[in-house]
Amino acid sequence: QKEVEQNSGPLSVPEGAIASLNCTYSDRVSQSFFWYRQYSGKSPELIMSIYSNGDKEDGRFTAQLNKASQYVSLLIRDSQPSDSATYLCAVNPNNAGNMLTFGGGTRLMVKP
Amino acid sequence: NAGVTQTPKFQVLKTGQSMTLQCAQDMNHNSMYWYRQDPGMGLRLIYYSASEGTTDKGEVPNGYNVSRLNKREFSLRLESAAPSQTSVYFCASSEAWAYEQYFGPGTRLTVT
Repeated sequence: QKEVEQNSGPLSVPEGAIASLNCTYSDRVSQSFFWYRQYSGKSPELIMSIYSNGDKEDGRFTAQLNKASQYVSLLIRDSQPSDSATYLCAVNPNNAGNMLTFGGGTRLMVKP
Repeated sequence: NAGVTQTPKFQVLKTGQSMTLQCAQDMNHNSMYWYRQDPGMGLRLIYYSASEGTTDKGEVPNGYNVSRLNKREFSLRLESAAPSQTSVYFCASSEAWAYEQYFGPGTRLTVT
């Protein structure tokens, strides 16, 4: 079982809709969770971090964390074609210092 | 601030050749990382340096060496390149005991 799992997609949503991206992780005591956006041919860009159970909102982005279910998600409201990218989930496993384990990413396509 | 910079952007090597990928950051971060990214494999950690003067192996260290030259610079060396090392290489940095990592633009390496 991979430590951090994401559906590779592509996830296709119409412009203006809510895109929901999901991530599960295997290390039950992980404490820190991150979402990165990666445009084709570019480097990953940090867009959200979340450390506590519940929701964290930043503009059109909402990260949701449920540690009991070992599940973290990213919601993108009012999706725009410019949101089309691969979204990487990253987790800081227990006893890993400040290293991150990345999921394989979900490709999001927002259609005009 | 330039953030994290990497050189070169592109490189083609023949099997058996050696080369060094350079990375520098101007954010005064203590920790630096080298990843490779392959289709379907996500980001995998090659080596990291938690602080100046220390380096440790990550998930896929075989065939690579690193040098933490000073607080700003962290280089990755391929002593004898193999086609399996064809990949995109990213350098990243983070503050000590913080988990948010910031990535450089990447080096696209092809080994023929």
